[in-house]
Amino acid sequence: KNQVEQSPQSLIILEGKNCTLQCNYTVSPFSNLRWYKQDTGRGPVSLTIMTFSENTKSNGRYTATLDADTKQSSLHITASQLSDSASYICVVSAPDTPLVFGKGTRLSVIA
Amino acid sequence: EAGVVQSPRYKIIEKKQPVAFWCNPISGHNTLYWYLQNLGQGPELLIRYENEEAVDDSQLPKDRFSAERLKGVDSTLKIQPAELGDSAVYLCASSLDRPLSAGELFFGEGSRLTVL
Repeated sequence: KNQVEQSPQSLIILEGKNCTLQCNYTVSPFSNLRWYKQDTGRGPVSLTIMTFSENTKSNGRYTATLDADTKQSSLHITASQLSDSASYICVVSAPDTPLVFGKGTRLSVIA
Repeated sequence: EAGVVQSPRYKIIEKKQPVAFWCNPISGHNTLYWYLQNLGQGPELLIRYENEEAVDDSQLPKDRFSAERLKGVDSTLKIQPAELGDSAVYLCASSLDRPLSAGELFFGEGSRLTVL
């Protein structure tokens, strides 16, 4: 069964600190993996996409990594800001099947 | 460019009442999705449209849920009758591409339903 598992479920960090969110998946075959950010009361917004051949991709203070062999991805947030408080959802796609969503990691950045 | 527009943003109804949600996708996006999202969970697909055609509705509880996308643009999701367990956020999303899952989804802000 295609699944996406995210950890931790929730995380609280101080403003300015770094953090790393994890995503493990069993989806196969694999097309791509996206990280979405979902602010409270809003819809998810795509942060980055990783394809099979990519190991690392950055989007500002967000850096995503992918290890297609171990089927793991991470999202690293550098110098966190209060506005980074949100849920971060890992979404994996495979050919001819619906997208597989993780449950998300709820990040709270506090002053 | 306008994003995906959903209405209403919030709806409170009593159980057994009907409710309808409306979605206007991004102009030119031929694929439209309805997702259900419970608190602390990821979105779960209810139905996917390619233009006017519902190409994946396997997760739609057809005894009480229905959807339509007339003319391949706007879409409506209806629940009749609503049950307590239907309380959730209903997200609409759209995308440009044809392949089932390769493209980026653009989500609306969602319609939060509370069933009393």
